[in-house]
Amino acid sequence: QSVLTQPPSASGTPGQRVTISCSGSSSNIGRNAVNWYWQPPGAAPKLLIYTNDQRPSGVPDRFSGSKSGTSASLAISGLQSDDEADYHCSAWDDSLNGWVFGGGTKLTVL
Amino acid sequence: QVQVVQSGAEVKNLGASVTVSCKTSGYDFTYYGLSWVRQAPGLGLEWMGWISAYSGDTNYAQKLQGRVTLTRDTSTSTAYMELRNLRSDDTALYYCVREGDNNRNYYFKHWGQGTLVTVSS
Repeated sequence: QSVLTQPPSASGTPGQRVTISCSGSSSNIGRNAVNWYWQPPGAAPKLLIYTNDQRPSGVPDRFSGSKSGTSASLAISGLQSDDEADYHCSAWDDSLNGWVFGGGTKLTVL
Repeated sequence: QVQVVQSGAEVKNLGASVTVSCKTSGYDFTYYGLSWVRQAPGLGLEWMGWISAYSGDTNYAQKLQGRVTLTRDTSTSTAYMELRNLRSDDTALYYCVREGDNNRNYYFKHWGQGTLVTVSS
């Protein structure tokens, strides 16, 4: 199983706000920044949030990230049908000396 | 603009080896490292390893140590991933990813399109 823990699924209706959690430990999220990637169906992952809460150019401000202790969260406000995708969190792990991921969360817009 | 273009799908037998290439363009190749990330069908992402495009230094995931080798050719701005002694659970989409850097906080910024490797018995 994955080193970081995410819920396997999340859902919301258009316009709603949803959050996706990512839980880790002191060797990863507790010491290092968290990045989020989104993966539309059948496509390669794309960078969504980096260094906990930074948005790359082109990512709408409906997407926001936060980190506290050994957990992180991704929030999506004003949910749209195009937001349906898998969302993955990731962080560097000092004990493993490598990158670790969550198992991914499949977001469904009802 | 930055482009990361991978080689095409491969079908290999159990125990064989596979090499996937990753040609980059649109930036100074030696300035950023490259990671390889794979995704088995229906599963999450798994980091395989990293190579410094500048020095060729590598760092491999513990799980794959001894079976994976990352190399690069600075003359063609291309990176390579070789995976040996293929097993059925190596069937996956393999992604080459160029890193980004925010004050030494790194992340996976530019993803290739993915290369499907199927291991057949």
